[in-house]
Amino acid sequence: GQQVMQIPQYQHVQEGEDFTTYCNSSTTLSNIQWYKQRPGGHPVFLIQLVKSGEVKKQKRLTFQFGEAKKNSSLHITATQTTDVGTYFCPNQAGTALIFGKGTTLSVSS
Amino acid sequence: GAGVSQTPSNKVTEKGKYVELRCDPISGHTALYWYRQSLGQGPEFLIYFQGTGAADDSGLPNDRFFAVRPEGSVSTLKIQRTERGDSAVYLCASSLNGGKGDTQYFGPGTRLTVL
Repeated sequence: GQQVMQIPQYQHVQEGEDFTTYCNSSTTLSNIQWYKQRPGGHPVFLIQLVKSGEVKKQKRLTFQFGEAKKNSSLHITATQTTDVGTYFCPNQAGTALIFGKGTTLSVSS
Repeated sequence: GAGVSQTPSNKVTEKGKYVELRCDPISGHTALYWYRQSLGQGPEFLIYFQGTGAADDSGLPNDRFFAVRPEGSVSTLKIQRTERGDSAVYLCASSLNGGKGDTQYFGPGTRLTVL
């Protein structure tokens, strides 16, 4: 099946710095979803991108879907300590979500 | 409204024992999923229910694992003859229709520890 790879696996930033995580697929995706999991918490749905070249914003978070629908990125502007957690872009096999290790973001103040 | 709930929140058992983990999905959601998550890993898919039937159980690791959803709402994940390697957080999620791209809402999980 198609694989979605996510980089980096870990990122540490100082509060106020920007952060970006990338997801890349070897095949065209019909859509991509992003989830966030806080330490000790459970995955929480953030957004779904469907259209080629789509860009969506949620406050300081900007999500992009590549023109070829093979990659996606999540960019956080001016990180805050509340952004700490692991961000996932799971692959979809049928209706099941196939999670990789995600990108774990730590923020120091 | 209420989200997905799971009970118990923590379960400690001894190797070889039988355990049941319960999931209460969001009311009206026809699709229900079970995942398990080990430390430092992403959630791993176990089984998917559409209504009362298991539409995809390809993620169940072996026949010690079984899940039911008899009335199309609450689901129970059953693990027989538990092993230490079964220790993980078991997450349940539900979605409205189960279609591809449907948003899955996760519960808080049950942390299972097998001694």
